Amino acid sequence: LAKTTQPISMDSYEGQEVNITCSHNNIATNDYITWYQQFPSQGPRFIIQGYKTKVTNEVASLFIPADRKSSTLSLPRVSLSDTAVYYCLVARNAGNNRKLIWGLGTSLAVNP
Amino acid sequence: DVKVTQSSRYLVKRTGEKVFLECVQDMDHENMFWYRQDPGLGLRLIYFSYDVKMKEKGDIPEGYSVSREKKERFSLILESASTNQTSMYLCASSSPYLLAGTDTQYFGPGTRLTVL
Repeated sequence: LAKTTQPISMDSYEGQEVNITCSHNNIATNDYITWYQQFPSQGPRFIIQGYKTKVTNEVASLFIPADRKSSTLSLPRVSLSDTAVYYCLVARNAGNNRKLIWGLGTSLAVNP
Repeated sequence: DVKVTQSSRYLVKRTGEKVFLECVQDMDHENMFWYRQDPGLGLRLIYFSYDVKMKEKGDIPEGYSVSREKKERFSLILESASTNQTSMYLCASSSPYLLAGTDTQYFGPGTRLTVL
């Protein structure tokens, strides 16, 4: 059974680097990994997406090891405004087996 | 700027009522989605539409139906609302390249539905 697992919650302080890891042991060859951020009373919004190795954009980095059974979202130097829920998503498109496999979300609290 | 709008932010209905939740996107996207979000359960896909009049069941379709008569509009229908359908409902859209790893979903702000 395809599943994505991530920590329920994490705490950090302003200025620190935060790493949130998602486990997806049953990831398939063509699956892609995407991370979303959600603030209260808003819909999730895209942060970063990748297939393997490392991807970096202006807000985050995504590290995916060679076996692709996990992925780590890295937020450099967090601020209070990064307090949110972060979701890991594995998107599967294998012929008739199309599926979006969401993690349950990691609630990140950034403290002053 | 991309935009997904939902007809209501808050909705209160009575048990047994027929409920319509409307979603409109202005990005000419082929794919549209309905999710519900509950504490501790994350996002659960109810239905997915990949083209006008086309739909696929998601993980929890029971008690729901959908309608997509126009490309920009995707409706979620609760035929006979029940208290266990009290939830946050999120609509999203994407291009067909979502599952090819070259696109993302764009979400609306959500509708908080309470069924009394």
